[in-house]
Amino acid sequence: GAVVSQHPSWVICKSGTSVKIECRSLDFQATTMFWYRQFPKQSLMLMATSNEGSKATYEQGVEKDKFLINHASLTLSTLTVTSAHPEDSSFYICSAQRTGLGAYGYTFGSGTRLTVV
Amino acid sequence: QQQVKQSPQSLIVQKGGISIINCAYENTAFDYFPWYQQFPGKGPALLIAIRPDVSEKKEGRFTISFNKSAKQFSLHIMDSQPGDSATYFCAASLQGAQKLVFGQGTRLTINP
Repeated sequence: GAVVSQHPSWVICKSGTSVKIECRSLDFQATTMFWYRQFPKQSLMLMATSNEGSKATYEQGVEKDKFLINHASLTLSTLTVTSAHPEDSSFYICSAQRTGLGAYGYTFGSGTRLTVV
Repeated sequence: QQQVKQSPQSLIVQKGGISIINCAYENTAFDYFPWYQQFPGKGPALLIAIRPDVSEKKEGRFTISFNKSAKQFSLHIMDSQPGDSATYFCAASLQGAQKLVFGQGTRLTINP
């Protein structure tokens, strides 16, 4: 159990366009989901925390208008990179927290490689 | 105080050897210490985790050693195999908090 599906696994888009990444918990409910960004050979950088039915909480330095997060249900959170630019190219990873388990209930998605050309 | 410091940055071990990765933390309120394994192009996967009320936890070839007084914990991989070649991250979580604080990562290479 505890499977998190992230889609797409990779995407190439043109500069100035928007891209949506989906994160789904397949077999459990996730009140909270997290979005990370990872540059090559670096650690995971938390971008934002999304809670079902409420506004996401963004980490310092993350542009909320650029990285739109929607957590519309207990099994789905989406990250939309708006007006993407080459510097937004990165590996984006979501994590879903099984309701009631705190940090013990984290499961990561398989990641999305975004390339902006 | 929220940081978790991980070392070494990279590690090369011969097949069959023991791989050891170390982490240190400052915040004594941390109460959950997981290790994640990440293969290229994939998300991290939970490998093994420990709470501060035990000094060691073993699962197969993987062991976490925890030293509460020194605020350090380490991952030991026994009989290391080429398939263990990956990046390993330690992490820590605060009591009642949602966030995980990650270490910098260790790129492990097991030579055949």
